[in-house]
Amino acid sequence: GENVEQHPSTLSVQEGDSAVIKCTYSDSASNYFPWYKQELGKGPQLIIDIRSNVGEKKDQRIAVTLNKTAKHFSLHITETQPEDSAVYFCAATLNTGFQKLVFGTGTRLLVSP
Amino acid sequence: DAGVTQSPTHLIKTRGQQVTLRCSPKSGHDTVSWYQQALGQGPQFIFQYYEEEERQRGNFPDRFSGHQFPNYSSELNVNALLLGDSALYLCASSQSGQAYNSPLHFGNGTRLTVT
Repeated sequence: GENVEQHPSTLSVQEGDSAVIKCTYSDSASNYFPWYKQELGKGPQLIIDIRSNVGEKKDQRIAVTLNKTAKHFSLHITETQPEDSAVYFCAATLNTGFQKLVFGTGTRLLVSP
Repeated sequence: DAGVTQSPTHLIKTRGQQVTLRCSPKSGHDTVSWYQQALGQGPQFIFQYYEEEERQRGNFPDRFSGHQFPNYSSELNVNALLLGDSALYLCASSQSGQAYNSPLHFGNGTRLTVT
């Protein structure tokens, strides 16, 4: 079955710096890769996703890149702000219509003013 | 437009008891999935319901069961509770019938504590 590894487990940056979180998946058949942000006491919130037919996707300060050959995908946050502080999860799944997300273990991002 | 709502928000149970958690999907969504999130971990897939049937299941014992109602809302039942069942239980909804995966929208979860 699918396995997703996520690094680093914690990341501390200064406001305005960039942050990069990396994930590796095991099942080469996976073709949908969402990223979720989870704030304390809340459920995960989808922030961006990418499908395997695309190498990069950007939405304002957030971007995701996908390397299918290496089975790597990464989240890039530029110009970080204190409100970006949260736990971020990557996930992978097959496009079977019966979506079953396999999540990474999460990255706690702390953005200091 | 209400998002995914879950009840109750917190619950304390004793070992051996049974618990029922409830979920109402986002408006327009017809598929409900349940995830278990242990402290400090990523969510783990329990099962998914569509058209009132369980159509996919993760590696969870039969003590975990569910139901989906005609209005698409769902319940998660856990029997014979163990201490290890203490976790945040997340409900996620999505829309079926699309060529690609419909993004999952999560509720804020039910925090279950088993003592």
